[in-house]
Amino acid sequence: QLQLQESGPGLVKPSETLSLTCTVSGGSISSSSYYWGWIRQPPGKGLEWIGSIYYSGSTYYNPSLKSRVTISVDTSKNQFSLKLSSVTAADTAVYYCAREKYYDFWDWGQGTLVTVSS
Amino acid sequence: QSVLTQPPSVSAAPGQKVTISCSGSSSNIGNNYVSWYQQLPGTAPKLLIYENNKRPSGIPDRFSGSKSGTSATLGITGLQTGDEADYYCGTWDSSLSVAQVFGGGTKLTVL
Repeated sequence: QLQLQESGPGLVKPSETLSLTCTVSGGSISSSSYYWGWIRQPPGKGLEWIGSIYYSGSTYYNPSLKSRVTISVDTSKNQFSLKLSSVTAADTAVYYCAREKYYDFWDWGQGTLVTVSS
Repeated sequence: QSVLTQPPSVSAAPGQKVTISCSGSSSNIGNNYVSWYQQLPGTAPKLLIYENNKRPSGIPDRFSGSKSGTSATLGITGLQTGDEADYYCGTWDSSLSVAQVFGGGTKLTVL
């Protein structure tokens, strides 16, 4: 049973960089069939895809966030990570990591709330 | 403002059928597969339908999906109180320099 677990600070100051890691267990992040993605959900609002990465390091990002986003992968630790720079209150959200296949998100982490506040 | 348009809310009685619509354009729904997600209160979304009308293993056949032109529909029959959730459609949009997009979500209330 594949499991994904997000981890990282729950509070980030404005203008700083948000950093989260997703640890994958019960399966290999190096599987050739899957991408690994980040999705966020502001409190009381809908879902927004942030970006996705293949185990080789190939990435694709939401154009609206691309200038501030970096997603990386560490296959030795079976983890992938998200960095979002220059955050503002508008970046306050629950951040989910997920396993993606053919643009569908098949497995999700439980999510982690990140609040941007001074 | 979401690229895909869903009704904010729908409701129906237990045992009844409900449909949730998702409207897009030729750059997204019109030329790509649609998926649907169920988000129960306080939990992560769960894939309900993929490739317009396919169900992952374990999803009951009470849930169905369809697509016509630039719109897609999620159908739920034999409504149960446990179906109360937010439902999101999702697809690929080629007009946004390549991006995955979601609808704004529909809150289903089982009266």
